[in-house]
Amino acid sequence: TQLLEQSPQFLSIQEGENLTVYCNSSSVFSSLQWYRQEPGEGPVLLVTVVTGGEVKKLKRLTFQFGDARKDSSLHITAAQPGDTGLYLCAGEENTGNQFYFGTGTSLTVIP
Amino acid sequence: DTEVTQTPKHLVMGMTNKKSLKCEQHMGHRAMYWYKQKAKKPPELMFVYSYEKLSINESVPSRFSPECPNSSLLNLHLHALQPEDSALYLCASRGRPGVGQETQYFGPGTRLLVL
Repeated sequence: TQLLEQSPQFLSIQEGENLTVYCNSSSVFSSLQWYRQEPGEGPVLLVTVVTGGEVKKLKRLTFQFGDARKDSSLHITAAQPGDTGLYLCAGEENTGNQFYFGTGTSLTVIP
Repeated sequence: DTEVTQTPKHLVMGMTNKKSLKCEQHMGHRAMYWYKQKAKKPPELMFVYSYEKLSINESVPSRFSPECPNSSLLNLHLHALQPEDSALYLCASRGRPGVGQETQYFGPGTRLLVL
């Protein structure tokens, strides 16, 4: 079983602060996705990265895929209460249809 | 459009009941997935269908029985479940080659409670 480790596991910050979530593995992935999930709902796709070293920006969110395609990070600037949720990374290896999920990061942004 | 729909949204069943979860997508996706998720944990893969054939079964107990009637539909038949099977059940489909094939798109989930 491939394992994607996310850190931190839990994060509670004040509104307006910045934060970074990390997703690390010893395996190489052909693509990596980040999702945000609210309780009782399905994960909502934030971004897909496929190229080593790629950086994508989505408003206050910045995503980076490691040069070796083994790790990724999500940086949120000026966090807002609406950013609260479970953040999940998921990677796909070159073969098959299986995606491997990270261990998850539960973020709470306090107003 | 990247919509995956699931019904029902909520389900309560007894341990002797038989019920089915349904998932549908009309994006031409050829791979569809069932996941089980407990609160604040990542989704756990149960089954993968590729071109309507079961390609991955993650050693799921036989009380869960998947079915793919056609390329747009995926069912999960439930029978004699246990209380520990209570969870959020998620369906996902994978984008087509050249059109988001690197990505899974998730439905809203079915919250299942087994009494």
